[in-house]
Amino acid sequence: DVKVTQSSRYLVKRTGEKVFLECVQDMDHENMFWYRQDPGLGLRLIYFSYDVKMKEKGDIPEGYSVSREKKERFSLILESASTNQTSMYLCASREQGGRGGYTFGSGTRLTVV
Amino acid sequence: RKEVEQDPGPFNVPEGATVAFNCTYSNSASQSFFWYRQDCRKEPKLLMSVYSSGNEDGRFTAQLNRASQYISLLIRDSKLSDSATYLCAVFYTGGFKTIFGAGTRLFVKA
Repeated sequence: DVKVTQSSRYLVKRTGEKVFLECVQDMDHENMFWYRQDPGLGLRLIYFSYDVKMKEKGDIPEGYSVSREKKERFSLILESASTNQTSMYLCASREQGGRGGYTFGSGTRLTVV
Repeated sequence: RKEVEQDPGPFNVPEGATVAFNCTYSNSASQSFFWYRQDCRKEPKLLMSVYSSGNEDGRFTAQLNRASQYISLLIRDSKLSDSATYLCAVFYTGGFKTIFGAGTRLFVKA
């Protein structure tokens, strides 16, 4: 089975800090995604990447950036954390061109104080 | 209008009941459809893909109605362990992304 690993389960950061969320998958998937999940709003796509060094904005990219230097790793960066970025962040991967769904990491619950 | 809509519930059903969820989508170019299950404070996990001909996996049956643009999930003989949030998801190649519904909460009671 594909495994998607997120580096931290819980994080507490201060307003204005630069925050790095790391995600690694072990099945050579081309496509990787970052979502945030908030009560009542569901899953919202922040950024995705369909290959190494490629990135595309999702629906809510403001305040975030990403990095994909290696196929297995997709990093989400909060340039200057704000309290409205307090959320559950979920990384996912998917095989390119496959009809299968996503495999999600276990999530990082980020609190910005 | 949201691209993918679900009744948020909650659905409260007794053990052994049959329960059905619907999910509507607005983009007729949508290509692939999925149901995910999410337990409290956990990540979503793929429950099943939804095919045009309908598909079944044990007590779970998923169906797709392209004409009316909805997918459904039927759970028969509900178990306590079925209590979770069920997310529908729609993928279309043009947008190269998957849109998730906000989820339907199910509580199965003894």
